[in-house]
Amino acid sequence: ETGVTQTPRHLVMGMTNKKSLKCEQHLGHNAMYWYKQSAKKPLELMFVYSLEERVENNSVPSRFSPECPNSSHLFLHLHTLQPEDSALYLCASSHQLVNSDEQYFGPGTRLTVT
Amino acid sequence: AQSVAQPEDQVNVAEGNPLTVKCTYSVSGNPYLFWYVQYPNRGLQFLLKYITGDNLVKGSYGFEAEFNKSQTSFHLKKPSALVSDSALYFCAVWGGSYIPTFGRGTSLIVHP
Repeated sequence: ETGVTQTPRHLVMGMTNKKSLKCEQHLGHNAMYWYKQSAKKPLELMFVYSLEERVENNSVPSRFSPECPNSSHLFLHLHTLQPEDSALYLCASSHQLVNSDEQYFGPGTRLTVT
Repeated sequence: AQSVAQPEDQVNVAEGNPLTVKCTYSVSGNPYLFWYVQYPNRGLQFLLKYITGDNLVKGSYGFEAEFNKSQTSFHLKKPSALVSDSALYFCAVWGGSYIPTFGRGTSLIVHP
């Protein structure tokens, strides 16, 4: 395992539900990321945090709301989702927010919106 | 702006044969290039990176990649493929921004 855990691994939710995805990294990293992975499409970067401050919001709809209470934890709060939001949501971390640092990914949460 | 192209959706190779997974990039300034692998039901796993120095980079599981500045390419290679190498491979580039850009991924299938 990479030291990045995500819960739940699978989630089915209706369009009116509210749920949260959780990510925890045990690597002592300072940067954390949320990605959306859909079949046959490039990985989409959603949010970037460095030292618990958001540094990038990549034009993500407001129905996705991130939270980073400390450098080890990252949440993605979901509400009023659409079926096209069904995807694999990946959390990642890196030592620093620099372009020479590789990222460590969690196993992902497979989200299905019905 | 930066971009990555992985021109092949799928690469098929016989076990024991050499494999190549292609990646080309476009970036302002010096490129920082990465390869990741994703096995089924898993997150991406770092394989190797090019930052500076020797154009041939060696990584995990016997993989290597060659940085070619003139062709703006960073192809992933392995001299002898294993069935267990079958997975989805992603190339990524970071330029001067905080944002990495990933390719669409290439599915590698190694036949016994």
